Amino acid sequence: GQNIDQPTEMTATEGAIVQINCTYQTSGFNGLFWYQQHAGEAPTFLSYNVLDGLEEKGRFSSFLSRSKGYSYLLLKELQMKDSASYLCAVVRGGTYKYIFGTGTRLKVLA
Amino acid sequence: DAMVIQNPRYQVTQFGKPVTLSCSQTLNHNVMYWYQQKSSQAPKLLFHYYDKDFNNEADTPDNFQSRRPNTSFCFLDIRSPGLGDAAMYLCATSGGGAGVRETQYFGPGTRLLVL
Repeated sequence: GQNIDQPTEMTATEGAIVQINCTYQTSGFNGLFWYQQHAGEAPTFLSYNVLDGLEEKGRFSSFLSRSKGYSYLLLKELQMKDSASYLCAVVRGGTYKYIFGTGTRLKVLA
Repeated sequence: DAMVIQNPRYQVTQFGKPVTLSCSQTLNHNVMYWYQQKSSQAPKLLFHYYDKDFNNEADTPDNFQSRRPNTSFCFLDIRSPGLGDAAMYLCATSGGGAGVRETQYFGPGTRLLVL
């Protein structure tokens, strides 16, 4: 079967660091994407991992372990505007299709 | 700026009255996708085109159809909208290559309300 799991909700404080986990089981793997989605808006691209390891992009980093079927998104120096849903999506091998997780709703508190 | 455009942003229709949502892109991407997203849920892929090749998801209802007359435009037709079809409809595009070229770029979405 194919399954992507993320926590439903997380809460953190402005200025803190938060880690959002994603575990996946898919038939074939061709990369993992993280997207940010503010309420009522379209998802926007944050990061892409296809090899094991950490990809850093400013305040956001994403990690992948293919052997463990695991990824995380790390957000540093949280700002109020980071309050959004974060979607993990895996590309099935041999296709152009994403399998999305249900998303993690992050609330950043002052 | 190159982008994915969806019109209208908000659409109100009546139960059973056909409705068409449109998407256009200036990215010259090969692949175009239509997703349905309901509140607090993940986007659900309805179908996608690679160039003119249409790929339907097995669980997409027959009530949903799509057309892609050229590279730039793609339409979603809902033949007889039901109350359960009220949702955000997202159009996305990708280059159709490998790796990071599979990044999907989303339009702003059309929120459909069925009365």
